[in-house]
Amino acid sequence: QQPVQSPQAVILREGEDAVINCSSSKALYSVHWYRQKHGEAPVFLMILLKGGEQKGHEKISASFNEKKQQSSLYLTASQLSYSGTYFCGTVTGGGNKLTFGTGTQLKVEL
Amino acid sequence: GAGVSQSPSNKVTEKGKDVELRCDPISGHTALYWYRQSLGQGLEFLIYFQGNSAPDKSGLPSDRFSAERTGGSVSTLTIQRTQQEDSAVYLCASSLSGYGYTFGSGTRLTVV
Repeated sequence: QQPVQSPQAVILREGEDAVINCSSSKALYSVHWYRQKHGEAPVFLMILLKGGEQKGHEKISASFNEKKQQSSLYLTASQLSYSGTYFCGTVTGGGNKLTFGTGTQLKVEL
Repeated sequence: GAGVSQSPSNKVTEKGKDVELRCDPISGHTALYWYRQSLGQGLEFLIYFQGNSAPDKSGLPSDRFSAERTGGSVSTLTIQRTQQEDSAVYLCASSLSGYGYTFGSGTRLTVV
């Protein structure tokens, strides 16, 4: 089952903050976050593992609520370069196979 | 190489023809994945190879689709008797277990 992301789209002024949510109907082993710019491949931002470990870019922060089967990505002091579509990906079984979410389109304007 | 390499970058084929898409993962990455992305849509899982284990083929949409990974490295995705609904960008990714994916630039397949 595909995780559901919210909001579907958001427009920010440069410097504003945003939160993107990812919700799964299944128990999660880990959650990944990726950003995809138009015409490009997705780029890895962060992985959050069951038990609290996180690996990713220093300027990105995220949370993982195992009980609620949810994750949130926090974008602070947004820059124009943050524009793109953000996807969460969830691992719900053994291995590292991701099921990607519905996507959130983020646009940062001057 | 430094990144995941996919070829060709673009492929236009006639309906009914077979196509082969190639993926060369990052050296040492044990896991390799194929996804496809239709225009403006999300990423649809196709198949996953992990080391020497049997591949997870649960995402292949029909028996016209197959993939292999030779020597734990290069992978080929084959689509037989292509249909117009197969048109999409096919993305390959590789990773170490428990780490994020590195995606290739994709192959844009157009079936006419």
